[in-house]
Amino acid sequence: EPEVTQTPSHQVTQMGQEVILRCVPISNHLYFYWYRQILGQKVEFLVSFYNNEISEKSEIFDDQFSVERPDGSNFTLKIRSTKLEDSAMYFCASSELPGSKLFFGSGTQLSVL
Amino acid sequence: GENVEQHPSTLSVQEGDSAVIKCTYSDSASNYFPWYKQELGKRPQLIIDIRSNVGEKKDQRIAVTLNKTAKHFSLHITETQPEDSAVYFCAASHFLTGGGNKLTFGTGTQLKVEL
Repeated sequence: EPEVTQTPSHQVTQMGQEVILRCVPISNHLYFYWYRQILGQKVEFLVSFYNNEISEKSEIFDDQFSVERPDGSNFTLKIRSTKLEDSAMYFCASSELPGSKLFFGSGTQLSVL
Repeated sequence: GENVEQHPSTLSVQEGDSAVIKCTYSDSASNYFPWYKQELGKRPQLIIDIRSNVGEKKDQRIAVTLNKTAKHFSLHITETQPEDSAVYFCAASHFLTGGGNKLTFGTGTQLKVEL
């Protein structure tokens, strides 16, 4: 069964540093998403992306965050200047059509020290 | 925006018993309601979903019911097994034709199935 893949699985960074989290969505999917989950809390929506542009974003997704689809397969989340409160598990997800099932990747655990 | 409440936060049942998890949502325009199972340190896995034009859906031991009037939906697991132990999240979204599917999640239910 096709899966969303994410790299790296763990990322440790110093506060103020830039990080890039990478995702390869399922190949025939058109919609891409980033969610995050702070330890012990619920999953929160960050951003959705379709047709090479952001379709929706949450209040969490401020100017420090950006997303990109640099080629036909990768989908990235960049945090320009990380803060301690950015520490979380970041999940990439993709869906084939509007309103269709979301499939999540295995996540990147980001730790900001 | 949408707000999803989920209860209970923890649920302990004996193997073979049924488990019921309930969620309420606030946005009457929401039209898609998935349930995800998340084992410790792993990705959320979709286990069942329901759309607003359907009142009930069943898949083997798992069923979901939706009451649009009351704006609540429930997950029912029958004949629970130890491998059902996990955190279960409900979610809601209002997807638009041509738009994506932004999910608002509930706070999760830690289900423990005891032998």
